[in-house]
Amino acid sequence: SAVISQKPSRDICQRGTSLTIQCQVDSQVTMMFWYRQQPGQSLTLIATANQGSEATYESGFVIDKFPISRPNLTFSTLTVSNMSPEDSSIYLCSVAGDETQYFGPGTRLLVL
Amino acid sequence: AQSVTQLDSQVPVFEEAPVELRCNYSSSVSVYLFWYVQYPNQGLQLLLKYLSGSTLVESINGFEAEFNKSQTSFHLRKPSVHISDTAEYFCAVSFTGGGNKLTFGTGTQLKVEL
Repeated sequence: SAVISQKPSRDICQRGTSLTIQCQVDSQVTMMFWYRQQPGQSLTLIATANQGSEATYESGFVIDKFPISRPNLTFSTLTVSNMSPEDSSIYLCSVAGDETQYFGPGTRLLVL
Repeated sequence: AQSVTQLDSQVPVFEEAPVELRCNYSSSVSVYLFWYVQYPNQGLQLLLKYLSGSTLVESINGFEAEFNKSQTSFHLRKPSVHISDTAEYFCAVSFTGGGNKLTFGTGTQLKVEL
């Protein structure tokens, strides 16, 4: 399975600001995903990021709030824009391989 | 549309006792099934998966799950738990040809006590 890293691992941010989360994979992958895990809850898919095309967002998530970049086959970023306390969550990236998804360690975000 | 149900939000169990974490799914097409584990303050780790073949799948740390198509279930079992198994366990499903998109259950908190 791929080795996935995320930066930052955690952050505390002020409302109204934006944070960009990086996801790096040690091998080339076609499909990458971004998830949100709100406190005490399960994972919700934000969007699918394929290299060379626009990200595909799930219902309830919009590009203006969660812009995503996918400049190459090993890297992606998710920006959480104009943050509010409701954005406090763990954000995880994952990659697909062998009909399976493998997850990064997550970014723990607290918005004050 | 797919859905995953984990009926038990919390399962307390004593060390060395057996445990079963329940997972049921709903789908009109063929599915792939997964169990992920999340240890405190960590990301998700793949525990085991069913893609095809034998309906009984095992993990390296003693967990097993059995795909039961007639009951649309994929329950996770371990005959003897250890304190280090304390974690959140998520069942997830994707459907064949669905672009690897996962639908997660709400999770089961397994708490192993001495």
